[in-house]
Amino acid sequence: DAMVIQNPRYQVTQFGKPVTLSCSQTLNHNVMYWYQQKSSQAPKLLFHYYDKDFNNEADTPDNFQSRRPNTSFCFLDIRSPGLGDAAMYLCATSRGQGAPYEQYFGPGTRLTVT
Amino acid sequence: ELKVEQNPLFLSMQEGKNYTIYCNYSTTSDRLYWYRQDPGKSLESLFVLLSNGAVKQEGRLMASLDTKARLSTLHITAAVHDLSATYFCAVDKTPGNTPLVFGKGTRLSVIA
Repeated sequence: DAMVIQNPRYQVTQFGKPVTLSCSQTLNHNVMYWYQQKSSQAPKLLFHYYDKDFNNEADTPDNFQSRRPNTSFCFLDIRSPGLGDAAMYLCATSRGQGAPYEQYFGPGTRLTVT
Repeated sequence: ELKVEQNPLFLSMQEGKNYTIYCNYSTTSDRLYWYRQDPGKSLESLFVLLSNGAVKQEGRLMASLDTKARLSTLHITAAVHDLSATYFCAVDKTPGNTPLVFGKGTRLSVIA
């Protein structure tokens, strides 16, 4: 089945220790997104790629970076995680042009910072 | 700036009752999405509403869109416990290219 896969599902890192979260998709979608969701809050868009074009949200901290080496994979790098970065990180994809327009979400990676 | 407001944010309802969740948004858009999220899980797409007057139904849930009023509703009919979850509405930030702006979510609890 076509899907969005995130690895790992649970990640524990130490304060200040770089961490990378991974997302892959078999949907062949043009657009990939990274969201941060804290407890009892709505998902907050960090950035998205339309093909190779990177779009950063204005309020995304510099501590967060992303890479999309090819259509299928996208990575979220947190250079120096702080306690406030503990959250669920959701990857999503969409076709980007033409219906359907909906976003398909992966299962998420729950990040704990100790 | 596009803003999306949901109400209520918390809803406790008895099994068998009907209720409606409202989603208002601030700028013109004709694409609205409803998602369901169970605790600790990701978002599951429920409905995609792509035009004024669109109505979609799945089981006990029915969603509608009024683009002139900038309002979408999610109606729950004869609630059952399995519907307990958080429901988010989301709107496209710009037409054609699709970062979503989410509402804050409605946490629904269905009690016996």
